[in-house]
Amino acid sequence: DIQMTQSPSTLSASVGDRVTITCRASQSISSWLAWYQQKPGKAPKLLIYKASSLQSGVPSRFSGSGSGTEFTLTISSLQPDDFATYHCQQYNSYWTFGQGTKVEIK
Amino acid sequence: EVQLVESGGGLVKPGGSLRLSCAASGFTFSTYTMNWVRQAPGKGLEWVSSITGSSIYIYYADSVKGRFTISRDNAKNSLYLQMNSLRAEDTAVYYCARDTNFGDYWGQGTLVTVSS
Repeated sequence: DIQMTQSPSTLSASVGDRVTITCRASQSISSWLAWYQQKPGKAPKLLIYKASSLQSGVPSRFSGSGSGTEFTLTISSLQPDDFATYHCQQYNSYWTFGQGTKVEIK
Repeated sequence: EVQLVESGGGLVKPGGSLRLSCAASGFTFSTYTMNWVRQAPGKGLEWVSSITGSSIYIYYADSVKGRFTISRDNAKNSLYLQMNSLRAEDTAVYYCARDTNFGDYWGQGTLVTVSS
């Protein structure tokens, strides 16, 4: 089974900050990686797929990069609506998710 | 507009059974693989099961294999999860998600609580 490890688990940041979240796979998954945003009591929302492709309607301040086993999600300038939990997901073999990264107000 | 609406969650005793449903609309349901994903309170997301459009291929996480059964009725645009021999660790919000390799649309979730 492919394991996904996100870091950090919690991130404290201010509006306007540049934020980077890392996701590592236990084996190569090529570019078969997605990122989701989830707010309390809500379903996950797709942000990025195929490691770096922006889902339609998602603001351009979100970007993804990486391939193989190491991936990053970057928010170029954190906005009030971006305080949430972010999950990475591999879809190279079934689905496996990282444990999530909570972005909270500093 | 794509919509996925789960139902059927509730409180059940350990060892009990529950059947979840997911009603789909706004897309050609029969052409998509569908998934169930769960999230225990305060925890991350865990993939549970998937089923291809024609139900030919079905997959389960090891944690539910032999206890849960996924199925679909394309005539009713509905996805199901039959959950038997429920355990406390099955307590979670259960989401259905449309599969385009990743999950592009998700339902709002239904809460399953397993407790005596």
